Amino acid sequence: EDKVVQSPLSLVVHEGDTVTLNCSYEVTNFRSLLWYKQEKKAPTFLFMLTSSGIEKKSGRLSSILDKKELSSILNITATQTGDSAIYLCAKAGSGNTGKLIFGQGTTLQVKP
Amino acid sequence: DGGITQSPKYLFRKEGQNVTLSCEQNLNHDAMYWYRQDPGQGLRLIYYSQIVNDFQKGDIAEGYSVSREKKESFPLTVTSAQKNPTAFYLCASSYGIGFDTQYFGPGTRLTVL
Repeated sequence: EDKVVQSPLSLVVHEGDTVTLNCSYEVTNFRSLLWYKQEKKAPTFLFMLTSSGIEKKSGRLSSILDKKELSSILNITATQTGDSAIYLCAKAGSGNTGKLIFGQGTTLQVKP
Repeated sequence: DGGITQSPKYLFRKEGQNVTLSCEQNLNHDAMYWYRQDPGQGLRLIYYSQIVNDFQKGDIAEGYSVSREKKESFPLTVTSAQKNPTAFYLCASSYGIGFDTQYFGPGTRLTVL
C-alpha cells in the first residue's frame, strides 16, 4: 500500500523555538513531495520537492528531500503564533494521474 | 480574483437524504479533486477529474457521486449510501496532467443529524 507517514502527530512549542516536522514515503512511483499549511480551512501550498530540486526555502521555512532515506523535513525557525496550523505532507506518484497521497498531518501549536 | 469557491460553508443533513456540495474554480484548471478530511486521518481522495466529462474514483468513492459537465464546476453528491458522511470536504484543482501542485477551496463542513 502506498503510504505517507508524518511525525510527530502533534507538537507544542513556544515562540522563538525551532521545529522540525518529518514526512516519510514509499518509493513506488515517486515524482514529487509537497508540503501544505492548513490553518482553519483551505490548505495553502508551501513547497514542492522533486528529484531535481531537493531543497527549498522561503523566509523562516525550509524543506529538504532525502532521497536515500525516502523522507522529507520541514523546518520552521523562530516560530511565531501565526505558525500554529496543521502541516500536511503529500506525495505525487508518476503515471500522470494527478493523485496526491496525504499523510495524517502534524498539528503545531506555538504558544506566546 | 482567481480562486476556488465551495458552498455552502456548513451543511446539515438528515439521515437518508442526498446532499450536493458545490465547487467552482476560475483558474482555468483542467483537473479537479474532492477530498474528505477526518480528524487524525489527513486528506483522503474521493473522486477526481482530469478533463471535462470524465472522472475517476479515488480511494473512498463509495456513497459519493460526481459530475464534470463544465470545466469550472465539479459538484459532489453525498448519497444516503454513505454510512458516515459527517466530515470536512475539500475541493482542489490543478493545471492538469504533469502538474502536481493542487490548490484548495475553503471547504464545506457536513454534519449528519
